[in-house]
Amino acid sequence: EAGVAQSPRYKIIEKRQSVAFWCNPISGHATLYWYQQILGQGPKLLIQFQNNGVVDDSQLPKDRFSAERLKGVDSTLKIQPAKLEDSAVYLCASSYFPLLVGTYEQYFGPGTRLTVT
Amino acid sequence: AQKITQTQPGMFVQEKEAVTLDCTYDTSDQSYGLFWYKQPSSGEMIFLIYQGSYDEQNATEGRYSLNFQKARKSANLVISASQLGDSAMYFCAMRSPLDTGRRALTFGSGTRLQVQP
Repeated sequence: EAGVAQSPRYKIIEKRQSVAFWCNPISGHATLYWYQQILGQGPKLLIQFQNNGVVDDSQLPKDRFSAERLKGVDSTLKIQPAKLEDSAVYLCASSYFPLLVGTYEQYFGPGTRLTVT
Repeated sequence: AQKITQTQPGMFVQEKEAVTLDCTYDTSDQSYGLFWYKQPSSGEMIFLIYQGSYDEQNATEGRYSLNFQKARKSANLVISASQLGDSAMYFCAMRSPLDTGRRALTFGSGTRLQVQP
């Protein structure tokens, strides 16, 4: 079974530029998450999708960040314009959506390391 | 609000010895789940073990066990017989409450474990 795919793996941009990250979840996983992990910290949720609908985007800086999952499969996260403090690893994760309450294990992709100069 | 606290920024352990990584949590929900993830230097998050708040037995997965003390709100990870490949960052995480559509994880700040030969 293929894991969560992300691209690019690394990106360096200047502040005020825009950047986009792509994620393809594990086949059949209805739930998709984007996390931001700043160096030395644990991941922080940016947005959660259930199929192509947004469940939680309360911590997404909506003035500069946007995300979409148009067909309920892959997703794109965009930053426009980027700031120095956006330098971080952006992790995509996915999970199955079972009918019964269970473990809800999340599977993470390798991440995209963004450096804003 | 949910919060995870990991008070050990770094830990050293000798190969083949056991090590305990501390995790305390705060939530007002009755139904929640606790997770441990491993993050090697390559960056991917690897799921290790899960404990549900209503589980009466402590979770075990191979060399990993979770010492769950509900009254103390602690969920410490025990790694038995440490191996050099266990050197990594370890994150404690929580999903609370369990029975909602919001499935994102709240992470602690992590503990860096170094296994010495």
